[in-house]
Amino acid sequence: GAVVSQHPSWVICKSGTSVKIECRSLDFQATTMFWYRQFPKQSLMLMATSNEGSKATYEQGVEKDKFLINHASLTLSTLTVTSAHPEDSSFYICSARRPGTSSGQPQHFGDGTRLSIL
Amino acid sequence: AQKITQTQPGMFVQEKEAVTLDCTYDTSDPSYGLFWYKQPSSGEMIFLIYQGSYDQQNATEGRYSLNFQKARKSANLVISASQLGDSAMYFCAMREGQGNTGFQKLVFGTGTRLLVSP
Repeated sequence: GAVVSQHPSWVICKSGTSVKIECRSLDFQATTMFWYRQFPKQSLMLMATSNEGSKATYEQGVEKDKFLINHASLTLSTLTVTSAHPEDSSFYICSARRPGTSSGQPQHFGDGTRLSIL
Repeated sequence: AQKITQTQPGMFVQEKEAVTLDCTYDTSDPSYGLFWYKQPSSGEMIFLIYQGSYDQQNATEGRYSLNFQKARKSANLVISASQLGDSAMYFCAMREGQGNTGFQKLVFGTGTRLLVSP
């Protein structure tokens, strides 16, 4: 079964709205989670690394004030797209990896959130 | 420079035949890991197989095997006995560094779309 849950799976909203996406690790505590963005027919691009109890680490070119990340507990990270505009429409997907496991353990991904801004 | 290169935007294969999806990588870190993920049209990322840079044997997982050629920096995915359900996007990804820490970023290739025909 799924080990990482992401909610909602689909969002359609008006321009200017802020949208919050949740990512939960279901059966393990994740001190670190990752947020990716994927445009249609393109690859996954890492946006930021979410760190429990501290500030997220953003990749170059990702606006911190636009994409707010909060990792308030060991099982939950949230990504808030603030004042969303049509160009923010994309597929957002989170991942987490069981801590303390061998380096060969994969990251587990949520099912993703399709965000459409009208 | 591209860290992960997948040169095949699309591949066709007939059901029950084998197919190889190419992946080359670039890193100066002696310790790294290579992952293959499958992404169906629904969007979720499904882990398929892992190869560590120090692994002596090529990884195998059921119908999936990884043709790891370290000197050539290639990690091609071989799917044997293709099934209709194998039709999806396939991404090669690399993790640099080692250790059991949970916060290890993945860099993805651009993906290959595989279509399996009856």
